[in-house]
Amino acid sequence: GAVVSQHPSRVICKSGTSVKIECRSLDFQATTMFWYRQFPKQSLMLMATSNEGSKATYEQGVEKDKFLINHASLTLSTLTVTSAHPEDSSFYICSARGDRDLAYEQYFGPGTRLTVT
Amino acid sequence: KQEVTQIPAALSVPEGENLVLNCSFTDSAIYNLQWFRQDPGKGLTSLLLIQSSQREQTSGRLNASLDKSSGRSTLYIAASQPGDSATYLCAVIQGAQKLVFGQGTRLTINP
Repeated sequence: GAVVSQHPSRVICKSGTSVKIECRSLDFQATTMFWYRQFPKQSLMLMATSNEGSKATYEQGVEKDKFLINHASLTLSTLTVTSAHPEDSSFYICSARGDRDLAYEQYFGPGTRLTVT
Repeated sequence: KQEVTQIPAALSVPEGENLVLNCSFTDSAIYNLQWFRQDPGKGLTSLLLIQSSQREQTSGRLNASLDKSSGRSTLYIAASQPGDSATYLCAVIQGAQKLVFGQGTRLTINP
């Protein structure tokens, strides 16, 4: 149980285009989802927290207009990187947490490798 | 602001050895602490979660301890195997459910 998927696993796009990454909880309802970014050989940095049906809460330094997050249902959150630039190239990982989990455990997706050329 | 530190940054040991990975955090007001494993280019696999009221958790050859008052956790791996080679991440959860990660320990088990 508690499986989280991400799609796509890899994406290459040209500078200036937008890319959408999906995060799905497959066997539980995720009231809260999180988006992280990881640079090579570095740890994960939280970008934003999203609750189903409400606006995402972004961490300091993360541009809201550049990284659009939508959590329209209890099983799906999307991250759209708008007007992508090479410096947005990174590994993006989502996680999900359900209401029933009182230990606040987050379940992680397999990640999406974004390369902007 | 919570800071999580992992020592050492990298560790290389021969197969069969027992080893300890260390994690420290600056703010003891945590809900729980989690240890993860990450293989190159992959997502995170949760290994053990210790709630703030617990002292340790065990899963197979892995044992994690938590000393909240001193801000420390250790991950003990018994009888290491080449398949244990990966980056191990420690993370704590505080208010607002945020996970704060350490930088990780890159572990290599040599056959």
